[in-house]
Amino acid sequence: NAGVTQTPKFRVLKTGQSMTLLCAQDMNHEYMYWYRQDPGMGLRLIHYSVGEGTTAKGEVPDGYNVSRLKKQNFLLGLESAAPSQTSVYFCASSRGEQYFGPGTRLTVT
Amino acid sequence: KNEVEQSPQNLTAQEGEFITINCSYSVGISALHWLQQHPGGGIVSLFMLSSGKKKHGRLIATINIQEKHSSLHITASHPRDSAVYICAVQDHQFYFGTGTSLTVIP
Repeated sequence: NAGVTQTPKFRVLKTGQSMTLLCAQDMNHEYMYWYRQDPGMGLRLIHYSVGEGTTAKGEVPDGYNVSRLKKQNFLLGLESAAPSQTSVYFCASSRGEQYFGPGTRLTVT
Repeated sequence: KNEVEQSPQNLTAQEGEFITINCSYSVGISALHWLQQHPGGGIVSLFMLSSGKKKHGRLIATINIQEKHSSLHITASHPRDSAVYICAVQDHQFYFGTGTSLTVIP
């Protein structure tokens, strides 16, 4: 099992550009999450999903959209990137305890 | 507003020492999680608990629901335990502490 994978691992965007981060899990988990991690602030929940076709807002959803068209995939989109979205993004899935992906380091210039 | 507070923020210990990391929270929860983040950035789940105490090897986690407090203990610490330890609480969402950076010196 690959567990939770994220693509890409690194990305540099210019302000105003768009991109999609892909999270995939092969553990048949219903719950999936997108977090961002910033120095001194800890992990913060952006959006989450409790099952295929469902999404919900977390603590810091502004500027992001998500989709869960297939149970194994959870996509995080940035429509118009801003420097404030420079961060490390983690995806996780769970059926109880959480399993985290390796992270995506995004820099917006 | 910080739903989860951890202490200490930084901790340096000699190999073999007994270590305690504390977590206090202010919201009603269904579960509390302890996570470990290695210097390379990867995050792994250590414990998920909603009451009492759990033990995995040299790691012990306890929770007091009435006092809204949890502790993570590491017995006989080792340099490979050096990492950031993160407390997270779960109600409808997850809320995370800022982590405790542990360095164990040989």
